[in-house]
Amino acid sequence: GQNIDQPTEMTATEGAIVQINCTYQTSGFNGLFWYQQHAGEAPTFLSYNVLDGLEEKGRFSSFLSRSKGYSYLLLKELQMKDSASYLCAVSLNNAGNMLTFGGGTRLMVKP
Amino acid sequence: EAQVTQNPRYLITVTGKKLTVTCSQNMNHEYMSWYRQDPGLGLRQIYYSMNVEVTDKGDVPEGYKVSRKEKRNFPLILESPSPNQTSLYFCASSSTVDYGYTFGSGTRLTVV
Repeated sequence: GQNIDQPTEMTATEGAIVQINCTYQTSGFNGLFWYQQHAGEAPTFLSYNVLDGLEEKGRFSSFLSRSKGYSYLLLKELQMKDSASYLCAVSLNNAGNMLTFGGGTRLMVKP
Repeated sequence: EAQVTQNPRYLITVTGKKLTVTCSQNMNHEYMSWYRQDPGLGLRQIYYSMNVEVTDKGDVPEGYKVSRKEKRNFPLILESPSPNQTSLYFCASSSTVDYGYTFGSGTRLTVV
């Protein structure tokens, strides 16, 4: 079976930096996605990593190490609106349409 | 506006009464997929489709059917709903170029 692990909950302070980790053991690997999901809303795409290394996109960065089965999402200059769940997902095939999701990390940003 | 549209947003039904949740996308995407989201279990894939008339099972297909007769539509059919199908359902689509799914707004289904 597929196994994708993330912490269930995290709390951070407005203006700070937070790192959300994701480890995976899957039967295939063709990239790792991060999604943001606000309560009661649909997930929205944040980032995609297929090669090792860091991808930076504004306040958000995502890192991948394929040899370690590990990724993290780094959020800088936290804002209250960043309070949401963050979903790690692995693409099992090269078409990118077999996404297996972790349980998600609920991030609470406090003033 | 590029979007994935699901209907209805909320539905309460009784056990055994057939229902269909519609999904339509206006982005000419090849790939479409259905997920269900349950507390503690995350998003689990039910069915996916790589193009018209091409569908395949995901992780939890039991009790569901899909069809892809047109590129833009991908309805989810529950022939005989049961209470364990009470969940939040998302339809999603993606292209061969962009990667990453665009999700619909979700359908909250309650089966009593």
